[in-house]
Amino acid sequence: AQSVTQPDIHITVSEGASLELRCNYSYGATPYLFWYVQSPGQGLQLLLKYFSGDTLVQGIKGFEAEFKRSQSSFNLRKPSVHWSDAAEYFCAVGGPATGNQFYFGTGTSLTVIP
Amino acid sequence: DADVTQTPRNRITKTGKRIMLECSQTKGHDRMYWYRQDPGLGLQLIYYSFDVKDINKGEISDGYSVSRQAQAKFSLSLESAIPNQTALYFCATSDGQPYNEQFFGPGTRLTVL
Repeated sequence: AQSVTQPDIHITVSEGASLELRCNYSYGATPYLFWYVQSPGQGLQLLLKYFSGDTLVQGIKGFEAEFKRSQSSFNLRKPSVHWSDAAEYFCAVGGPATGNQFYFGTGTSLTVIP
Repeated sequence: DADVTQTPRNRITKTGKRIMLECSQTKGHDRMYWYRQDPGLGLQLIYYSFDVKDINKGEISDGYSVSRQAQAKFSLSLESAIPNQTALYFCATSDGQPYNEQFFGPGTRLTVL
């Protein structure tokens, strides 16, 4: 079945530590790939997106993501996490590979401890 | 000013009541969407509209209806609310370009007692 998967429901990291959130997809072709963040009580905000080209994508708030075709993955990373990064993170897919529909993963909740 | 607004932001209603959630956008986008968010399930698409005359069902449209009153307005109705429709509802827009990036409103928290 076609899908987008976020294997980690919840992750806890210490402030200043590095972060990697996983996202895998399963489609016949490479979809357009997105990462969104949802802070408590807020709507979703786009962090970054990948359509083609350079497989390392820079986003807002110091986040980056790397597209790996061989692994069907688009993992989100940050070298040093800040307490304000505590939020829910969603991977999403869209574009022709998904029939131009937009699908979200189930999300990863990030807790940052001092 | 916010580009995508939703009203109300919070609503408590009773089983069987009809309720409407409204969404307005100033981004000039043709495409609008309604999602619901439940803990552990991510966002699920309820309905989407690619222009005023185009309305499509999403993954979970049963129990919901929509109205696209204008390019900038897209309303979601629950004809007879039930408790398992208690959720966070989001409206989103996109510009129809192949990239299909979506922009979200702040959400409406709906509780059905």
